[in-house]
Amino acid sequence: DAKTTQPNSMESNEEEPVHLPCNHSTISGTDYIHWYRQLPSQGPEYVIHGLTSNVNNRMASLAIAEDRKSSTLILHRATLRDAAVYYCILNELSGSARQLTFGSGTQLTVLP
Amino acid sequence: GAGVSQSPRYKVTKRGQDVTLRCDPISSHATLYWYQQALGQGPEFLTYFNYEAQPDKSGLPSDRFSAERPEGSISTLTIQRTEQRDSAMYRCASSPYGTGVNEQFFGPGTRLTVL
Repeated sequence: DAKTTQPNSMESNEEEPVHLPCNHSTISGTDYIHWYRQLPSQGPEYVIHGLTSNVNNRMASLAIAEDRKSSTLILHRATLRDAAVYYCILNELSGSARQLTFGSGTQLTVLP
Repeated sequence: GAGVSQSPRYKVTKRGQDVTLRCDPISSHATLYWYQQALGQGPEFLTYFNYEAQPDKSGLPSDRFSAERPEGSISTLTIQRTEQRDSAMYRCASSPYGTGVNEQFFGPGTRLTVL
């Protein structure tokens, strides 16, 4: 079962920032926080990941709470192409690999 | 290759038939994952390979499902005696070998329909 909680859906206006929240209260010390997104009719696409510190890349920023029980994906300027399902995932160590356990994600709608 | 490829993209079969799905990972990637995705849901982990080794089969729904990666590159997922509940999108992903924290690159998927 997914160990993250996200809102089912969110809306944003084009060219405005979007903050997508995620709760993961049962996170363990070795779990990384990953975000993937899935555009309609496509496979999931990696967005960003982090462990403890906030992270920035060309796609987004990831803000991680000090207790690591929640995080927020920040899209700085939403575009229509950012409309997708966004998955917050705990990358859990399982044996010698880290499998991804997807939940149901947040459907982001971007309004023109 | 440029990305992860899967074939066929669509497969329609009759209940009780066997099907084999193929995944071509990114050539330099040692780790390969299989996921099953039902309509409107997120992908669910089935199994993974590090090169040809298959350390984790825990997500395979039943013994009708099996996967191989004999030479550590191309992988196949076989479903024997298909059932209607097997209808789903089957996605393959690959990542570089390492701690497993690396991002996974997903293929376009194979849409399986069991009539």
